[in-house]
Amino acid sequence: EPEVTQTPSHQVTQMGQEVILRCVPISNHLYFYWYRQILGQKVEFLVSFYNNEISEKSEIFDDQFSVERPDGSNFTLKIRSTKLEDSAMYFCASSEGENTEAFFGQGTRLTVV
Amino acid sequence: DQQVKQNSPSLSVQEGRISILNCDYTNSMFDYFLWYKKYPAEGPTFLISISSIKDKNEDGRFTVFLNKSAKHLSLHIVPSQPGDSAVYFCAASGASGAGSYQLTFGKGTKLSVIP
Repeated sequence: EPEVTQTPSHQVTQMGQEVILRCVPISNHLYFYWYRQILGQKVEFLVSFYNNEISEKSEIFDDQFSVERPDGSNFTLKIRSTKLEDSAMYFCASSEGENTEAFFGQGTRLTVV
Repeated sequence: DQQVKQNSPSLSVQEGRISILNCDYTNSMFDYFLWYKKYPAEGPTFLISISSIKDKNEDGRFTVFLNKSAKHLSLHIVPSQPGDSAVYFCAASGASGAGSYQLTFGKGTKLSVIP
């Protein structure tokens, strides 16, 4: 069964460093998303991406964050200068079309020290 | 600002009985609702969804009911199995109107099915 894959599964970084989280969405999906879940809190929307551009973003997704689809298969989330409060599970998701279910990857646990 | 609320943080049910998980929402723009199941250290797994034009959707042991006037939905699992033990998230989309597909999640309900 097709699935969303994320790498790495766990990333430890020093505060102020840049990190890139990688995702391979399901191949025939057109909509891509990043969500995060801080420990003990709910899953929060960060950004959606369609047709090679950001379609929606939350207030969490500030200038420190960026997304890219560098080729036909990968979808990346970059955090330019990490802060302690960026520590969370980051989930990539993709969906086939409008108002269809989003399928999530296993997540990347980001720990900023 | 909790637009999607799951007021029960946990629920315990005997194996074979019905599990009922509840979810309330405040934003009347939501038009698509989903339930996800999540195990520790894994991503959310899609279970079942319902569009606002329906009031019920069934898939095997899982049924989702939507009451638009009450802004309430529920997930019924029958019969419950020990493998159903997980955190269940209610999610909704459409909050910003047409073309908005971001999901707004509730805080989750931890279901424990006791053998």
